[in-house]
Amino acid sequence: GAGVSQSPSNKVTEKGKDVELRCDPISGHTALYWYRQSLGQGLEFLIYFQGNSAPDKSGLPSDRFSAERTGGSVSTLTIQRTQQEDSAVYLCASSRGLAGLQETQYFGPGTRLLVL
Amino acid sequence: KQEVTQIPAALSVPEGENLVLNCSFTDSAIYNLQWFRQDPGKGLTSLLLIQSSQREQTSGRLNASLDKSSGRSTLYIAASQPGDSATYLCAVRGYTGANSKLTFGKGITLSVRP
Repeated sequence: GAGVSQSPSNKVTEKGKDVELRCDPISGHTALYWYRQSLGQGLEFLIYFQGNSAPDKSGLPSDRFSAERTGGSVSTLTIQRTQQEDSAVYLCASSRGLAGLQETQYFGPGTRLLVL
Repeated sequence: KQEVTQIPAALSVPEGENLVLNCSFTDSAIYNLQWFRQDPGKGLTSLLLIQSSQREQTSGRLNASLDKSSGRSTLYIAASQPGDSATYLCAVRGYTGANSKLTFGKGITLSVRP
């Protein structure tokens, strides 16, 4: 595809509900990242997928957060029992996955989540 | 743990002015440093990436410098235009562990007045 796409672009939910956020990376990119951007805060790393390797989940803030990547392409970030502090912009990024730390990440437009 | 600071949080300048955006980081053992631009409601766009062995990178009216030993980077924007109005984020990547992920500053929101 032309770029990283995310859906939905906006999501409003009630406290306690589960939400799923979707990311479609650039075609052929094997590395995929999820970040969270809270109001007044910098981007916070959540989780990293590289090919078929086990994901790096070191940034997930609690066990209510999980992510999967099916077929090495599309990824879904799931937040269970949402809390108001989960309100943020969730950004997905992908990279080619060939050059490790040297690579530029390409970001999607984000999903703006509001938990009421 | 790496920390990245960008001060001030917001900046307003008249069109045509040359300006410098500052970024500082606490751990000098970085692999690279990247400057991003974020427009309202949009994702991040990479502007410049400086490897740890480099001192600067240039793209058009943008020039980014890196002083790894002092933990500082600057983004220089020449002849600013209203279209430059956006939030500019600095991010560093370390070598291992948690620091091998991009660590971002909170950004500087720039407004260029016509």
